[in-house]
Amino acid sequence: GESVGLHLPTLSVQEGDNSIINCAYSNSASDYFIWYKQESGKGPQFIIDIRSNMDKRQGQRVTVLLNKTVKHLSLQIAATQPGDSAVYFCAENPNRDDKIIFGKGTRLHILP
Amino acid sequence: DVKVTQSSRYLVKRTGEKVFLECVQDMDHENMFWYRQDPGLGLRLIYFSYDVKMKEKGDIPEGYSVSREKKERFSLILESASTNQTSMYLCASSKQVGGQYFGPGTRLTVT
Repeated sequence: GESVGLHLPTLSVQEGDNSIINCAYSNSASDYFIWYKQESGKGPQFIIDIRSNMDKRQGQRVTVLLNKTVKHLSLQIAATQPGDSAVYFCAENPNRDDKIIFGKGTRLHILP
Repeated sequence: DVKVTQSSRYLVKRTGEKVFLECVQDMDHENMFWYRQDPGLGLRLIYFSYDVKMKEKGDIPEGYSVSREKKERFSLILESASTNQTSMYLCASSKQVGGQYFGPGTRLTVT
């Protein structure tokens, strides 16, 4: 498959275990954050978002945690499956406009 | 579900050709975006549009132009394609201040 990024940080997780993907953001004024999943050869797919007035939000098998004190965002995936194998990007909205800034991404590799 | 479609998944063009990449979204989103994605460089914003007939330069607009004549359609134009424009091109749309929804991408190769 097509690589979306060379030299990306890689997280290897056993199938069935929980995955935690971390992201540090840069702008303390950012008030909206998003996680995307990008499978090989496809466009990024919106997974879950969170606003800065929250510190946790849950979706189906995914949880996003926001720590504004240390400007840290994490994505937790429960019971990781082979279909979770992808590159995961965090994104932030720092300027209250409609542009968002994407992180470089983390590759999640599922071990059988 | 939001649907963003792009006119081609794969495209091969020659240096100097004019290239049109089309993007259509069906969710009545105000905002539309064009990015390119290259290994090691991540997603880079080329142009975006907040409304019909409006456009704003992103981080790397050189060598590109855009057109938005209808709300649902946003076109990226390479006036004279060059080999350094070989890349994956991604279109996205969003409501005002919201998550962006991406199309499947167009893999453009310029020879």
